[in-house]
Amino acid sequence: GDSVTQMEGPVTLSEEAFLTINCTYTATGYPSLFWYVQYPGEGLQLLLKATKADDKGSNKGFEATYRKETTSFHLEKGSVQVSDSAVYFCALKDTGNQFYFGTGTSLTVIP
Amino acid sequence: DGGITQSPKYLFRKEGQNVTLSCEQNLNHDAMYWYRQDPGQGLRLIYYSQIVNDFQKGDIAEGYSVSREKKESFPLTVTSAQKNPTAFYLCASSISGTGISSYGYTFGSGTRLTVV
Repeated sequence: GDSVTQMEGPVTLSEEAFLTINCTYTATGYPSLFWYVQYPGEGLQLLLKATKADDKGSNKGFEATYRKETTSFHLEKGSVQVSDSAVYFCALKDTGNQFYFGTGTSLTVIP
Repeated sequence: DGGITQSPKYLFRKEGQNVTLSCEQNLNHDAMYWYRQDPGQGLRLIYYSQIVNDFQKGDIAEGYSVSREKKESFPLTVTSAQKNPTAFYLCASSISGTGISSYGYTFGSGTRLTVV
């Protein structure tokens, strides 16, 4: 069945460091891919998405490119801030509108 | 503004009690979902509903019940049969139907349930 695998955390970075959180997926057909962010004690918020191969989603300095050849959707940011500390979830929505979430990656950015 | 409202934000349950978590949306979304999140873990699907008066069990439905009498509302009852209910509960909604896989979920802010 469809699934999403994302890198284990926690990840700790210094402010202004480069961030990569890896996400790979398994799916039949052509799914849409998403990154959600969860701040402490809150629900999940959509960060960015991509709906077809080679699409790049971007928001708030974060980017991810839908790579069909490597079945990946890695999240990147060039310079993280303390306010980026949160849990990040990679997700897939298949053509039957079923959602599959990764297990989440906790990011802590220290000043 | 449109969105999803979950209430209460914090809820305490005594052993053997049933409690109901509220989820209301004004986004005109057809589909609604309940997830459970345990510390340091991902989301696990409890129940979902694609249309009014219909709902399906998710991966961990035992000990939970839902109803979908109105499009806007999808309350979750945690029954006494749920042996380990302490968790963070998230409600979500989305547009339903074919050809709309590019639409994501909108989540509520969650309810933290604690057994005392």
